[in-house]
Amino acid sequence: AQSVTQPDIHITVSEGASLELRCNYSYGATPYLFWYVQSPGQGLQLLLKYFSGDTLVQGIKGFEAEFKRSQSSFNLRKPSVHWSDAAEYFCAVGVWSSGDKLTFGTGTRLAVRP
Amino acid sequence: NAGVTQTPKFQVLKTGQSMTLQCAQDMNHNSMYWYRQDPGMGLRLIYYSASEGTTDKGEVPNGYNVSRLNKREFSLRLESAAPSQTSVYFCASSELGLAGTDTQYFGPGTRLTVL
Repeated sequence: AQSVTQPDIHITVSEGASLELRCNYSYGATPYLFWYVQSPGQGLQLLLKYFSGDTLVQGIKGFEAEFKRSQSSFNLRKPSVHWSDAAEYFCAVGVWSSGDKLTFGTGTRLAVRP
Repeated sequence: NAGVTQTPKFQVLKTGQSMTLQCAQDMNHNSMYWYRQDPGMGLRLIYYSASEGTTDKGEVPNGYNVSRLNKREFSLRLESAAPSQTSVYFCASSELGLAGTDTQYFGPGTRLTVL
């Protein structure tokens, strides 16, 4: 069964600074990888996803993520954080099999200092 | 398009009471899901419906039942609420019946407190 780990529970960055949120997965084959964002009081919204091909994936709101098979990682990055990026971020891993579920990490809460 | 809607937004129950959480989507999606979100545990799948007329258990189904009323609607029922069911509940939908690969679209959530 697949699993995903987000080692950082909370991260605080200054507005304008760069951001990297870590995600490590465990699965024998190439997984399907997702990053979702949850703004306060809201549901989750897809930021980006990786299925195959180019390992650097561009998403919405200026985010990108890089799939590194050798490190079993799918870290999320943004070059310059905005105050509106304060939210909780979830990495998720899935497999190509009907009925299999999407496994979510425990989330990283991002705070942005003015 | 409203996307995925959930009612109610907030609910307080006493132990032993029952209630139904409603979810509807207007995207003509085949699959629908119910998750619960607890602090430090991410989202855990309760039940899902890969297509109209089918439902399957997820990771934490005990204490819950579901009904896929039609293609649009998927309800979650707590027959006898317990304090351990205090959580935020999210409904989601996806176009295809492949939970592990589809983009899922989430509703705004229902915050449930069981006293």
